[in-house]
Amino acid sequence: DAGITQSPRYKITETGRQVTLMCHQTWSHSYMFWYRQDLGHGLRLIYYSAAADITDKGEVPDGYVVSRSKTENFPLTLESATRSQTSVYFCASSSTVAKNIQYFGAGTRLSVL
Amino acid sequence: GENVEQHPSTLSVQEGDSAVIKCTYSDSASNYFPWYKQELGKRPQLIIDIRSNVGEKKDQRIAVTLNKTAKHFSLHITETQPEDSAVYFCAPWNRDDKIIFGKGTRLHILP
Repeated sequence: DAGITQSPRYKITETGRQVTLMCHQTWSHSYMFWYRQDLGHGLRLIYYSAAADITDKGEVPDGYVVSRSKTENFPLTLESATRSQTSVYFCASSSTVAKNIQYFGAGTRLSVL
Repeated sequence: GENVEQHPSTLSVQEGDSAVIKCTYSDSASNYFPWYKQELGKRPQLIIDIRSNVGEKKDQRIAVTLNKTAKHFSLHITETQPEDSAVYFCAPWNRDDKIIFGKGTRLHILP
């Protein structure tokens, strides 16, 4: 589990500010994912990436931007944070051989005031 | 798109009894069916999975059964213990090669 880390673990920001959540994995996994978790909604996919420089939208991509210039990093940016983006954000990764099996980071709890 | 439903949303069982959580899905092309466990304040972790060519899989006290015809799969926990208290998510993979999580089942193990 220590192979995938998220930072920061907690973040408080104000509406309209740009926020970047970081995700780093040391397994050289090809696939990386960003989810948000809200009460009553389970985990919802925001964006995912199959490899460096390849990203695709998930279920709830609006208001978020991702990039993947290096295999090990997959940052998630909220360009102009809104209160509805208050949530717990989880990053996950999986290998090409077993892409269904996802390993999650510890999560980032984001509050937008 | 894929529709995934879990039942029940909350489940309370006496310690030592069995618990069953059911997940229904809509995409007949789904071929991988995992269950994740998330303890309070922790990350989700895969606990058991099954592929579409298998009907049942067991791992000690937990098992997963699959009914592809009816498009549902279930998590079975026997001899429940306090550490089984958590939220459980089903997460079938659909034809678009994406994982869709159910909304979760909160399992309480009563002393």
